[in-house]
Parts: sequence; structure tokens; C-alpha cells
Amino acid sequence: GDSVTQMEGPVTLSEEAFLTINCTYTATGYPSLFWYVQYPGEGLQLLLKATKADDKGSNKGFEATYRKETTSFHLEKGSVQVSDSAVYFCALTSGAGSYQLTFGKGTKLSVIP
Amino acid sequence: GAGVSQSPSNKVTEKGKDVELRCDPISGHTALYWYRQSLGQGLEFLIYFQGNSAPDKSGLPSDRFSAERTGGSVSTLTIQRTQQEDSAVYLCASSSTTDTQYFGPGTRLTVL
Repeated sequence: GDSVTQMEGPVTLSEEAFLTINCTYTATGYPSLFWYVQYPGEGLQLLLKATKADDKGSNKGFEATYRKETTSFHLEKGSVQVSDSAVYFCALTSGAGSYQLTFGKGTKLSVIP
Repeated sequence: GAGVSQSPSNKVTEKGKDVELRCDPISGHTALYWYRQSLGQGLEFLIYFQGNSAPDKSGLPSDRFSAERTGGSVSTLTIQRTQQEDSAVYLCASSSTTDTQYFGPGTRLTVL
């Protein structure tokens, strides 16, 4: 079945540091890939997405590129801020009639001033 | 416009009682999803509704769980004879296509 593996947290970074959260996937068909973010006390929000190989999703300074050859969708940001502290979830929908999201276990990011 | 809303935000119940959780999707969204978020299992898919089609119930963990969607809009997730392992945050999401899903704030269920 479909699965998503993302790096375990928690991750603690200083403000303005470079962020990478690794995500790899296993899926049948041609999945769409997502990063969702959950800020403290809030619901899940879509951060970015990519629907086909080599697409790059970007939002709020975050980027992720759909790499079919390595089945990866790593999240990056060049300079994190305290306000980026949250839990980040990598997810996919496999398509082909199956539209539920399969999530990774989440990575908690804490950014310290 | 208004996002996905869920009620109640918190629910505490005793083991063996039935509970109903409600979801109001974004107006015009034809697809509606329920997920469960728990410490041990992470985020799990429960059930998916698309228009008037039969729902995809493949994620429901037991026959104590059921859901309905009336008039293609509001959905209710019902858990009968609740157990302590049902304690979790229940999330609802909706979408206008089969791609991007927008999530509600969730209902935190605690079974004592």
C-alpha cells in the first residue's frame, strides 16, 4: 500500500538557519504530493503541493520538488523564522480513484531566536 | 469565505457511550473526508464522500464507526460504544476537486 516516510523530529533550529525535512514515499500510480503544516493550537493547513514529476511547490519561502527517480519530496526553507515553529506533515494522494491522503508521522520544528 | 467547521471542539464521554461529531464543509465542496489524529497512529483516513456516490469506508477501524452526509453537505461521524482507544482528534476536510483538501479545526474526543 501507499506510505510516506519523513524524518523524525523534533528538529530545533536557530532563527535564519536553513531547513530541510526529508520525505520519501511509496505509491502506486502517479501520486500528488503535499506538505501540510499544523501550527500550535490550530488545524492542518496546506503549505504546498506538486502534482507531477519535477514540479516544484512553493509557498511562504518553503519549497519542495517532486523527484520521481528518488521518490522524494523534501521540504526546504533558506531562512527559518520563529513563526515557522510547527509540525510539518508530508502526504500523498495516489490518484487512480483513491483520493484519501496518506500522511507521514509529522516532524515537529522549533525555531529559537 | 468560511472554512470547514466542526463541532463540538471538545467532547469528553464515558466508555460505552455513543458520540456524534459534526462537520460543515466549505460551501460548494462536493468531497468530504474524515481523518483521525492520535499520538500512536498519526493521521489516519477514515471515510470519504463524493457527491451522491457511495462513500469509501475503507478506513473505518471497526463497525462501531459510521458516518453519513445529508444533502451533500453536512456530515456526522458516529462512534457507538466508545472505547478508550477511540480517544483522538477527529478531523474533517473538504475539497472541490479530488486534489487539495482543506481541513477543519478538529474535534478532540476523550473517552474516560
